[in-house]
Amino acid sequence: DAMVIQNPRYQVTQFGKPVTLSCSQTLNHNVMYWYQQKSSQAPKLLFHYYDKDFNNEADTPDNFQSRRPNTSFCFLDIRSPGLGDAAMYLCATSDQGAPGETQYFGPGTRLLVL
Amino acid sequence: AQKITQTQPGMFVQEKEAVTLDCTYDTSDPSYGLFWYKQPSSGEMIFLIYQGSYDQQNATEGRYSLNFQKARKSANLVISASQLGDSAMYFCAMREGNFGNEKLTFGTGTRLTIIP
Repeated sequence: DAMVIQNPRYQVTQFGKPVTLSCSQTLNHNVMYWYQQKSSQAPKLLFHYYDKDFNNEADTPDNFQSRRPNTSFCFLDIRSPGLGDAAMYLCATSDQGAPGETQYFGPGTRLLVL
Repeated sequence: AQKITQTQPGMFVQEKEAVTLDCTYDTSDPSYGLFWYKQPSSGEMIFLIYQGSYDQQNATEGRYSLNFQKARKSANLVISASQLGDSAMYFCAMREGNFGNEKLTFGTGTRLTIIP
């Protein structure tokens, strides 16, 4: 089945230690998104790629970076995680031009910062 | 001002009953999309249903239907014959923006609990 895959599902890192979360998709969608979701809150968009074009949200901290080496993969890099960065990180994809342009989400990565 | 408002933080519903989850939205864009997602405790956001702003008919997907009232700017989700597996967080979301820069804005969610 075509899907959005996130690895790992759970990630524990130390305060200040760089961490990378990965997302891959078999849907061949041209748009990929990264969201941060803290406990009992709505997902918050960090940035998205439209093909290779990177679109950063104005309030996304510089500590968060992203890479999209090809259509299938997208990475979220947190350069120096703080305790406040502990959250669920959700990757989503959409097909620009498809009816609805629905975003399909992966299972998420729960990040714990010690 | 909130773009998406979900006024019910939590709801308890008896199994097999129908349930309506409320959602109102605010936009000046004539072209927009409205979505409902389900998020179980595992964390995955599961797409349920979509309604386009120009769609004349209310969207339906199995037990899910969307009661779209454009003039009132509401897009309530109706779940018929609720099941225990429907217990989850439900988010209403709106898509706005121009080609290549569409974004989803989520409401704060409603936690639905189905009681046996």
